[in-house]
Parts: sequence; structure tokens; C-alpha cells
Amino acid sequence: AQSVSQHNHHVILSEAASLELGCNYSYGGTVNLFWYVQYPGQHLQLLLKYFSGDPLVKGIKGFEAEFIKSKFSFNLRKPSVQWSDTAEYFCAVTSSGTYKYIFGTGTRLKVLA
Amino acid sequence: KAGVTQTPRYLIKTRGQQVTLSCSPISGHRSVSWYQQTPGQGLQFLFEYFSETQRNKGNFPGRFSGRQFSNSRSEMNVSTLELGDSALYLCASSLSGATYEQYFGPGTRLTVT
Repeated sequence: AQSVSQHNHHVILSEAASLELGCNYSYGGTVNLFWYVQYPGQHLQLLLKYFSGDPLVKGIKGFEAEFIKSKFSFNLRKPSVQWSDTAEYFCAVTSSGTYKYIFGTGTRLKVLA
Repeated sequence: KAGVTQTPRYLIKTRGQQVTLSCSPISGHRSVSWYQQTPGQGLQFLFEYFSETQRNKGNFPGRFSGRQFSNSRSEMNVSTLELGDSALYLCASSLSGATYEQYFGPGTRLTVT
């Protein structure tokens, strides 16, 4: 069955610490991968996306993610987090022609000032 | 341009009742997807519509239904409400489907008592 796993449900970091959030998927065929973020009280918004090409994708606010096909992973990274990065992060996968996104259960990140 | 709008924002219903939620996509977007968001479960895909046609649906009982109108506005209906239907229902629109970035609305918070 198609699925997305986010292993870290809650992460607490101090400002300036480095961040890596794991995302693994089980999905046949060619995939499109996304990270969405939900800041407190705000809508879900796109952080970055991978369709093809360079497996290292850069997104907004200094975030990046690396697609490793052999590991079925799409981990999110940021070298130095800020208090304003406190939010819930969702990994999602889809495939052309399915018209269906599969989301992970989310990771709540809290950054301590 | 205006974002995705959802009405109502909050709703309290009693078990056994039915409810209709509405979603207006971004102008020009023809694909609308619906999700149920609950703590610990992430976003669960309900269904996707494009040009008034349902192209995919998730694993929800038949009590959950939807439709899309010619102006791309969409509604979802839940009949015979159960306590477990309490959730945040999110609508997302995109240009033409899963290959594209989805833009999310603020959601409708449904509480079933």
C-alpha cells in the first residue's frame, strides 16, 4: 500500500541547531515529493518540491531536501533553525495520473529561543 | 489573487446529523482535493475533483461524498455524523492535479457531539 512515514513526531531544538526531518515513502512508479509546513494559526503552505532533476532541492526560508531514490527517502534539512521555524511539517508524495496526495503524519518542531 | 476559501470555518453538529462544507478554489484552478486532518493521523485524503469529475477517492465510508460545480467550487457532505468525524477538513486547489503544488484553505473545524 502507498504510504509515507515521518519517523520524528516531535522535535525540540535550540536556535541555531541543525535540523533534519526524516521522510520515507512506499510508492510505486515515478513520484513527486513535497514538504509542506503549517505555522501556528496559518494555512498549510509549500516549503519545497521535487519532480525530477537535481535530487537536492532548495526551498523557502533556507530549507532543503534530498531525494534518495534507493532509500525511498526525502529528508528535510536546515543548517540553522530559528524560533520562527516552530511549526508542523508534512511530507507528501504523489504520482502523475493518480490525482492523489499521500501525506505523512507530520512532525511538530519546536525551536527554543 | 484571492486564496482558497472554506465555509463555514467552525461547525458544531450532533451525532446522526449531516453536514455540508464548501470550498472555493483559487481562480483558474480546476482541481480540488479534500482532506481530513486529525491529531496523530496527519492529512487523510478524501477525494479529488477536476472539471466536475471525481478522479480519485480515499478510504472513507460512503457517508462522505463530494461534488464539484462548473465554476470549480466544491462541496463535501458527511451524512449520519459520528463522533469520530470530528476533525479539521481541508480543501486544496491546484491547476490541474497532483503534479502541481496544492494551495490549502484554512479548513473547517467540525465538532460532532
